[in-house]
Amino acid sequence: EAGVVQSPRYKIIEKKQPVAFWCNPISGHNTLYWYLQNLGQGPELLIRYENEEAVDDSQLPKDRFSAERLKGVDSTLKIQPAELGDSAVYLCASSQRGPNNEQFFGPGTRLTVL
Amino acid sequence: RKEVEQDPGPFNVPEGATVAFNCTYSNSASQSFFWYRQDCRKEPKLLMSVYSSGNEDGRFTAQLNRASQYISLLIRDSKLSDSATYLCVVNSLSMKTSYDKVIFGPGTSLSVIP
Repeated sequence: EAGVVQSPRYKIIEKKQPVAFWCNPISGHNTLYWYLQNLGQGPELLIRYENEEAVDDSQLPKDRFSAERLKGVDSTLKIQPAELGDSAVYLCASSQRGPNNEQFFGPGTRLTVL
Repeated sequence: RKEVEQDPGPFNVPEGATVAFNCTYSNSASQSFFWYRQDCRKEPKLLMSVYSSGNEDGRFTAQLNRASQYISLLIRDSKLSDSATYLCVVNSLSMKTSYDKVIFGPGTSLSVIP
């Protein structure tokens, strides 16, 4: 069975440019998470979806970040415009319904903003 | 105070040693607890869930102390392959939404030395 798929794996952009990340969760997983991870830190939740509903986006900087999961399957996270401080690894994870279940992570997208 | 805190590390131990990590959480309403392992430049993966009665999986033992609000992970007979960052994960009831909130600790780095 395929795991969580993310693309691209690496992205280098200049500040003020837009960038988008894509995630395809494990088939059948209702819950999808986007995390940001800085070097030496644990993942920080940006947004969590239950099917197509965003149930926790309290940590998402809504002035520049947006996300969607229109059909309750794959998801896109966008940053516009990117800032230098956005350089990090963006991780997508999925689980069966609810956070009490094991989360399966994708390989992440490593973003560098110059 | 951060909601989930871990021993700062890094821990450098010889092969065969026993090492223990602690994690404290601030929300007394926290419901479920996990340890994830993250290898360098890789995604986190579930190591084990932590149950109220404590649980063991081979060389790994996890314990929960609700009264003192901490969980621990004990690794016996350390192997070189145990070198990784160990992330404590706490699932707490969000005061802002009706959904649970998943919080990762900052991680504790372990290096097992030959």
